[in-house]
Amino acid sequence: RKEVEQDPGPFNVPEGATVAFNCTYSNSASQSFFWYRQDCRKEPKLLMSVYSSGNEDGRFTAQLNRASQYISLLIRDSKLSDSATYLCVVIDTGGFKTIFGAGTRLFVKA
Amino acid sequence: NAGVTQTPKFRILKIGQSMTLQCTQDMNHNYMYWYRQDPGMGLKLIYYSVGAGITDKGEVPNGYNVSRSTTEDFPLRLELAAPSQTSVYFCASSGPNPRDHSGNTIYFGEGSWLTVV
Repeated sequence: RKEVEQDPGPFNVPEGATVAFNCTYSNSASQSFFWYRQDCRKEPKLLMSVYSSGNEDGRFTAQLNRASQYISLLIRDSKLSDSATYLCVVIDTGGFKTIFGAGTRLFVKA
Repeated sequence: NAGVTQTPKFRILKIGQSMTLQCTQDMNHNYMYWYRQDPGMGLKLIYYSVGAGITDKGEVPNGYNVSRSTTEDFPLRLELAAPSQTSVYFCASSGPNPRDHSGNTIYFGEGSWLTVV
């Protein structure tokens, strides 16, 4: 089993749609969770941290379920500019072992 | 506002040549990393460092070497370049999340595109 697994994608959605990505992780002792965004031929950039209580940043909502060991990202009212690859990132205990999921590609169409 | 800086951005190497990818960060982070990303694929960890003088292998270290003589710098050396090393290389560092100071957040350089012919 991979340490971090994501929905394979690609997701093709129309503008204005709501889309959700899930990610599961294998190490129950993992301490920090993030979603990163990577545009084509660019470096990954932090989208948002993920907290047990859930957190929201504009149209983006992230959730963490420690009991089931998964995190999710919800994008509401999708924009063309949301087209990118979304990476699930888990940091293990100790704070330095950073594990990236393979990424989920999102295409938002007009 | 520099963050993580990588050079060069683009390089073409001939088979068997050697080169060093430079990486420096100005955030005083202890942890630094080198990843490679092949087209359409995920990130693979080459080497990482938890502090000056300490380095360790990631999942794909063969054909590469690193050093960490200072906190700021983490160069990656390719010895005897091979076509299989054609890839995009990302240097990264991690430190406390500046938004809430909880946990470590990883920051990437803009990448170095390397082609071996």
